[in-house]
This record gives sequence, structure tokens and C-alpha cells, in this order.
Amino acid sequence: ETGVTQTPRHLVMGMTNKKSLKCEQHLGHNAMYWYKQSAKKPLELMFVYSLEERVENNSVPSRFSPECPNSSHLFLHLHTLQPEDSALYLCASSQGSGTSGTQYFGPGTRLLVL
Amino acid sequence: GIQVEQSPPDLILQEGANSTLRCNFSDSVNNLQWFHQNPWGQLINLFYIPSGTKQNGRLSATTVATERYSLLYISSSQTTDSGVYFCAVEQSGGSYIPTFGRGTSLIVHP
Repeated sequence: ETGVTQTPRHLVMGMTNKKSLKCEQHLGHNAMYWYKQSAKKPLELMFVYSLEERVENNSVPSRFSPECPNSSHLFLHLHTLQPEDSALYLCASSQGSGTSGTQYFGPGTRLLVL
Repeated sequence: GIQVEQSPPDLILQEGANSTLRCNFSDSVNNLQWFHQNPWGQLINLFYIPSGTKQNGRLSATTVATERYSLLYISSSQTTDSGVYFCAVEQSGGSYIPTFGRGTSLIVHP
């Protein structure tokens, strides 16, 4: 148990669905991250929220939309996804801006897009 | 963009053996991290090491930024060390977003 929880743990959705992934951290950290891990590509950092600023990976398509209402909660809103978006989505948190703080990861949400 | 290559891609060890994993990168970096993902998928951030050497128990890491590589040493390996080790670098003057290597898959047999 790392202090970072993710729900749901598994999700199957159609290409026309809209769903959201949720992440919550209980560590008092001030930065949160979304990562994508797919079978055929290296790990990819999608978004970072740090000290109320957002950093985006420009390669992430607009059908992924993050939301960070406070420092403890992070969402990833999904709409009109493609089968190639099937992957493990990992959330992490850290203390401090940038990637200098040790990141603590959640267990991930395994997403299958049909 | 920056290229990150990890070697070896696969490694099998007997418990108690030592090993060295390597991460080469193609450009100057501001930041380098090592991660471990266990066989059940849990990811752990091992080291933040843009330069120099750090040690944490049986693990240590050294980054020689001027020569564009980093090494992760595992001593007296245990079965719990099994999993995939990833290196990630943040390119100097680039975006904040790190680039990951494809990892070294380690299996430690009892």
C-alpha cells in the first residue's frame, strides 16, 4: 500500500463511451501525475499537476482530459477512445515540483477499449 | 527527441549474485530517474540521480552525465528484486516530460 489509490482497477469501454479514472493520494503531496503503460511502447508521462500548474505531454491526444480539483485528487476523463488506448494507466504523487521528489505510484487502472 | 537505451534487455540471475544495469542517453539531461516495476505491476521510484552516486541498501546508482550514461547496481540479489527496471531522462532545454527506456527485465531465481 503506497498511499495512492486508483479506481476502477479494471475498465472495459466502447469507443463511444465516456468514462473517468480517479486517483486519490493520502500522503499530503503537492504534485500528481498520470502515466500510460502500453504493451508495445515505453512508459509515457501524460500529465503533471504541480503547485496548481499543469504540464502536458504534447503527444497525448485530446480525447484524454485531466482534472485536478485539489492536491489530493486527480481524474482522467476519457471520451471517444480508440482500441490503441488500451493500456495500464498509472497515477503517482510526489512532494515538490518537478520530478525531483520521489514518486509514489498507485496500482493502476487496466483499460480495455473495444 | 532524446534517445534512451537500456541494456541488457533481459537478465537472469541466481539469488545472491550481483548485477549492473545500464542506461545510455543521447543528449544532455537535467534529470534521470530509475524505477522498478515488480511482477504484479507495482511501480517504485528508486533513484533521482542526474549526476553522481547514490546508495539505498543493496541498490546503488551512478550517473556520469558528461558521458551520457547511468548504471544501476544490484548487490546480493534477492527474488524480490525480480521485475523490470526503467530509466527515465529529462532532456536539458526540453520539456518537463521525461523519456523512458524500454527497461531491463530481471528474473532472480532462488
